[in-house]
Amino acid sequence: EADIYQTPRYLVIGTGKKITLECSQTMGHDKMYWYQQDPGMELHLIHYSYGVNSTEKGDLSSESTVSRIRTEHFPLTLESARPSHTSQYLCASNWGFSTDTQYFGPGTRLTVL
Amino acid sequence: GESVGLHLPTLSVQEGDNSIINCAYSNSASDYFIWYKQESGKGPQFIIDIRSNMDKRQGQRVTVLLNKTVKHLSLQIAATQPGDSAVYFCAENMAGSNYKLTFGKGTLLTVNP
Repeated sequence: EADIYQTPRYLVIGTGKKITLECSQTMGHDKMYWYQQDPGMELHLIHYSYGVNSTEKGDLSSESTVSRIRTEHFPLTLESARPSHTSQYLCASNWGFSTDTQYFGPGTRLTVL
Repeated sequence: GESVGLHLPTLSVQEGDNSIINCAYSNSASDYFIWYKQESGKGPQFIIDIRSNMDKRQGQRVTVLLNKTVKHLSLQIAATQPGDSAVYFCAENMAGSNYKLTFGKGTLLTVNP
């Protein structure tokens, strides 16, 4: 069982609200990732980080932003939520070697009304 | 039976049968592959991985086969159990991608009692 946590697990919010999805890991991993996943679909990388103060955009364009001030913490923020942001958001982490699997949190299911 | 993850997203088997889930990967330079299991409402869970210098790797009740000639990956589950019901994703680590993973579309495995 991976020690990576996400809160909240479920969030229903109105259009225009600012939200922050939390992700924390206790494994000391350098690399952390955010994926977006629609029901029954593949995972798309939206952000990743190689370490503290390092953030990069992923393969799928996203209006969200991330920060990495502490090794264990990688929050994702949406300044103004819209219905198009409705999705599942998955956080993952690993050491970042070429043959190192990523460990996933349980995900946050976001619904924007 | 067999299922191609990209074209036949569902596979239904009887409890006790063997399951084979297939995946076609995209980049001939990929050097690391992972199979994940995702149960409803949860994040992906690591099952087994394989490096490109191997053709086969076995775990507990699972075997991954890699055919680099045709860029094909398969997951075999022996004596499938109801607890194996989930969506199964293959992921590839594309060389030169800074160790980011690219996920396939996934196959839904349903095990009938």
